[in-house]
Amino acid sequence: DVKVTQSSRYLVKRTGEKVFLECVQDMDHENMFWYRQDPGLGLRLIYFSYDVKMKEKGDIPEGYSVSREKKERFSLILESASTNQTSMYLCASSLRRGRAVQYFGPGTRLTVT
Amino acid sequence: AQSVTQLDSHVSVSEGTPVLLRCNYSSSYSPSLFWYVQHPNKGLQLLLKYTSAATLVKGINGFEAEFKKSETSFHLTKPSAHMSDAAEYFCVVSDQGSGTYKYIFGTGTRLKVLA
Repeated sequence: DVKVTQSSRYLVKRTGEKVFLECVQDMDHENMFWYRQDPGLGLRLIYFSYDVKMKEKGDIPEGYSVSREKKERFSLILESASTNQTSMYLCASSLRRGRAVQYFGPGTRLTVT
Repeated sequence: AQSVTQLDSHVSVSEGTPVLLRCNYSSSYSPSLFWYVQHPNKGLQLLLKYTSAATLVKGINGFEAEFKKSETSFHLTKPSAHMSDAAEYFCVVSDQGSGTYKYIFGTGTRLKVLA
């Protein structure tokens, strides 16, 4: 079974802090994704990556950056956390580009105070 | 442009009665469609997927969905609801819009199962 793990289930940070969310997948998938989930809005794509050191902006990249130094690891970085970034963050991976099943991690619930 | 509309934000059913969760999509290309389920404080899990093979797709836990191109719908059904089905369900469309594949998520339907 594919396993996608996220470094923290719950995280509380202060406004202005730099925040790192880590995601690791164990199935040699090419594609990795970061979403944020907010009530009534579904999942919105922040960034995705189709290869090591490759990244593309999703629909809501402002205030975020990403890093993919190794195929199995995809990090989301909040350069200066703000209260409107309080949300559930979900990482996903998929084998191929588009049309393939996405496998999700358990999520990180981030609270910025 | 692709889009997904889940027609109900909340659905309540009694245990043992049928479940219907509605999803309409818009796509300029031949889409792939997915249903995912999310139990409280968990990640999303794939229920089923349609990728241009049979239009009636069977998934896990007794769920199935029918792709109807003429109605641009992909509704999720289950003959008999179980308490463990209480969760949030997401309909997702993926196609090669604008030259790159994207996954577009609906806003979710929260299913409540009454004893």
